[in-house]
Amino acid sequence: SQTIHQWPATLVQPVGSPLSLECTVEGTSNPNLYWYRQAAGRGLQLLFYSVGIGQISSEVPQNLSASRPQDRQFILSSKKLLLSDSGFYLCAWRGLWSGTKLEKLFFGSGTQLSVL
Amino acid sequence: QKEVEQNSGPLSVPEGAIASLNCTYSDRGSQSFFWYRQYSGKSPELIMSIYSNGDKEDGRFTAQLNKASQYVSLLIRDSQPSDSATYLCAVRGISGGSNYKLTFGKGTLLTVNP
Repeated sequence: SQTIHQWPATLVQPVGSPLSLECTVEGTSNPNLYWYRQAAGRGLQLLFYSVGIGQISSEVPQNLSASRPQDRQFILSSKKLLLSDSGFYLCAWRGLWSGTKLEKLFFGSGTQLSVL
Repeated sequence: QKEVEQNSGPLSVPEGAIASLNCTYSDRGSQSFFWYRQYSGKSPELIMSIYSNGDKEDGRFTAQLNKASQYVSLLIRDSQPSDSATYLCAVRGISGGSNYKLTFGKGTLLTVNP
């Protein structure tokens, strides 16, 4: 079965520090991968998505970047964090709902990032 | 700008009652509609999807879609305290293929009181 791993679960970083969040998927090949952010009082916002190695699409201008160095690895980075980068970061992959041909997003467990 | 609007709540209902959650969307070409449940501090979990006008029932959950009114709702019958969570409405636009992108609403916080 497919699983998605995301770490760390919680992160507290000072303003101006770098960031690296990693997401890996197991049990599937060439998945579509996504990074979402959920800030306080706001909905889930799509930040980046990737359809393959080295292929990154950015949805929102920001000081974040994403990379996909391997088929099942998706990394979210920043060189200098801002206060506004605080939020709940979720990695997701596009797969089939068990027993159906319906597609759905499977989310990782998320990283709660606090920038102080 | 594609938008998905939900009442932020909180919506409070007594145990056993019907909870009604509503969502409107701006992209008239939207094709697929989803309801996710998110417990505090946890990741969203898909509970319902609907693709055509009308009702779709799954256990205690019923999703309703009206494309003409650009409106989708979720009914939870016989609400239980374990249903207390934030419910996110998500919409997939007309672009298909590899561009599987969902636009989410801010969510409605539901509290079911014992």
